[in-house]
Amino acid sequence: GAGVSQSPRYKVAKRGQDVALRCDPISGHVSLFWYQQALGQGPEFLTYFQNEAQLDKSGLPSDRFFAERPEGSVSTLKIQRTQQEDSAVYLCASSLGQGANGELFFGEGSRLTVL
Amino acid sequence: DAKTTQPNSMESNEEEPVHLPCNHSTISGTDYIHWYRQLPSQGPEYVIHGLTSNVNNRMASLAIAEDRKSSTLILHRATLRDAAVYYCILRGSNSGYALNFGKGTSLLVTP
Repeated sequence: GAGVSQSPRYKVAKRGQDVALRCDPISGHVSLFWYQQALGQGPEFLTYFQNEAQLDKSGLPSDRFFAERPEGSVSTLKIQRTQQEDSAVYLCASSLGQGANGELFFGEGSRLTVL
Repeated sequence: DAKTTQPNSMESNEEEPVHLPCNHSTISGTDYIHWYRQLPSQGPEYVIHGLTSNVNNRMASLAIAEDRKSSTLILHRATLRDAAVYYCILRGSNSGYALNFGKGTSLLVTP
């Protein structure tokens, strides 16, 4: 389809393992966002890319979290040495432009469970 | 960041109009008012947004108070598929690049 695609949809990791979550944004979209959503809560901002530049990473909870978008399209969110508190749904969104007057398109998310 | 206040939950009967309120008393002049909704087990979905004037689209209407300190999302005829969490969000040059979601309003639609 033409929407935002995320993989894997579900990931179970043992505490201490590294995980990588992939986001394929809508083709041509300049802006890309990562959000973390804990059970029963609203999405919390993690980081923002404009093309390949990571312009805001203020929401990343620790230095175990790392995101990249090397060619300005596909993005990967990596979590090192996962902890139980990292269990959440990780949402990716893209937007055509970078202004405040624009719609974000979200993927269905990657649900991470850390045992 | 300018914050929004929404009721935790609301209930509506099917095929009746629903008015979802949002207060944003600290809104700045450049902030757009965005509404998103999230159905169970799905990512958020754009509903509507506006700056000063009321807006209509195929999904809903957005009524913005004259002083812009509050707004109301209007679903003209609620259906069971409209049961979701609705988020009212401010987005502008002072709020950075991200949409900052709160807890939203959980809308229950009963047949």
